[in-house]
Amino acid sequence: NAGVTQTPKFQVLKTGQSMTLQCAQDMNHEYMSWYRQDPGMGLRLIHYSVGAGITDQGEVPNGYNVSRSTTEDFPLRLLSAAPSQTSVYFCASSYSSRWDSGYGYTFGSGTRLTVV
Amino acid sequence: RKEVEQDPGPFNVPEGATVAFNCTYSNSASQSFFWYRQDCRKEPKLLMSVYSSGNEDGRFTAQLNRASQYISLLIRDSKLSDSATYLCVVNPPWSNQFYFGTGTSLTVIP
Repeated sequence: NAGVTQTPKFQVLKTGQSMTLQCAQDMNHEYMSWYRQDPGMGLRLIHYSVGAGITDQGEVPNGYNVSRSTTEDFPLRLLSAAPSQTSVYFCASSYSSRWDSGYGYTFGSGTRLTVV
Repeated sequence: RKEVEQDPGPFNVPEGATVAFNCTYSNSASQSFFWYRQDCRKEPKLLMSVYSSGNEDGRFTAQLNRASQYISLLIRDSKLSDSATYLCVVNPPWSNQFYFGTGTSLTVIP
């Protein structure tokens, strides 16, 4: 199994450009999520999905869109990139997000995004 | 109030030392807790789940203190390879979200 695959690994965007970060998992996990990680801020949840066709906002959703048309894929779209979106983005999945399930996350290797 | 908080450190310890990290959580009804390890410029990786009865995996011991609402990670006989940032994670009740602490940095010195 490949686990969680993120592409691209690195990206430089100009302010105002849009792009999509790809995330795919082959573990049949129902739960997928996107985090951004910034120095001193830790991992902050952007959007998450508890199954195909279901998405919801996390802590910092502004400027990002997601969709979940299949169980495997959960792309993150930056609508109009801003320098404040310079960060490391991680996609993560879990077999279940139920609060009592005891299942943890598997993370992708991350995308380092710079917006200039 | 943050769902989970941890001391950022850094902790600098000599090889062979024992070191412990704590992480406090705000929702007393939380049930799922985890410790993750993150190496520099890498993704976080699951280190251990934390069970009510505590659990041990080799040199690593995780414990839960419900009365004081914290989880702990104990590393015995520290190795150079243990140098990393350790993240605690809480999945509050009736929530679909995992909350991460900001991480505790550990450097093991030869």
